[in-house]
Amino acid sequence: GQSLEQPSEVTAVEGAIVQINCTYQTSGFYGLSWYQQHDGGAPTFLSYNALDGLEETGRFSSFLSRSDSYGYLLLQELQMKDSASYFCAVLNSGYSTLTFGKGTMLLVSP
Amino acid sequence: NAGVTQTPKFQVLKTGQSMTLQCAQDMNHNSMYWYRQDPGMGLRLIYYSASEGTTDKGEVPNGYNVSRLNKREFSLRLESAAPSQTSVYFCASSKIYEQYFGPGTRLTVT
Repeated sequence: GQSLEQPSEVTAVEGAIVQINCTYQTSGFYGLSWYQQHDGGAPTFLSYNALDGLEETGRFSSFLSRSDSYGYLLLQELQMKDSASYFCAVLNSGYSTLTFGKGTMLLVSP
Repeated sequence: NAGVTQTPKFQVLKTGQSMTLQCAQDMNHNSMYWYRQDPGMGLRLIYYSASEGTTDKGEVPNGYNVSRLNKREFSLRLESAAPSQTSVYFCASSKIYEQYFGPGTRLTVT
């Protein structure tokens, strides 16, 4: 089976940089994704890493190291609106399903 | 383009009652999913449908049934609701590795 570990909560101030880590144990997967969820609303897709290395999308970057079974989401120039829960998820074999971590609540303060 | 829609938004059931949660997507996606989200538990997959005419169990299928009515619609049925099924239910559809989520149904079973 698949299991993912991420911190339950992270706090930071506006304008700062924060990194949310995700470690996983899998029996095979295609890639690592990140989703954002505000206040119990619909989760929204942020990024996907199929290969090792860094993927950058605006203020957000995501990193994957398959050899270390580790990934992270990097948020730069933090804004108040970035306060949300962030989930890492592995894309399972066959591209059919995702297995999610339990989520990290990011609190951004002024 | 409405994306993924879910009905109802809220529902209160008594133990033993049945109900069907409806989901539809207008993005012509082949794959659709049902998740439940409980506090501190992340998103857990109940059932999924990789294509029209097929359905498969996810991580927590007990107490649920699904129907892939056509390419657009994927319903989730609770035959005899239990308090343990109190949760927020999300439907999603996917294009390869990116999943698009509906707004969720908040279900309380008393």
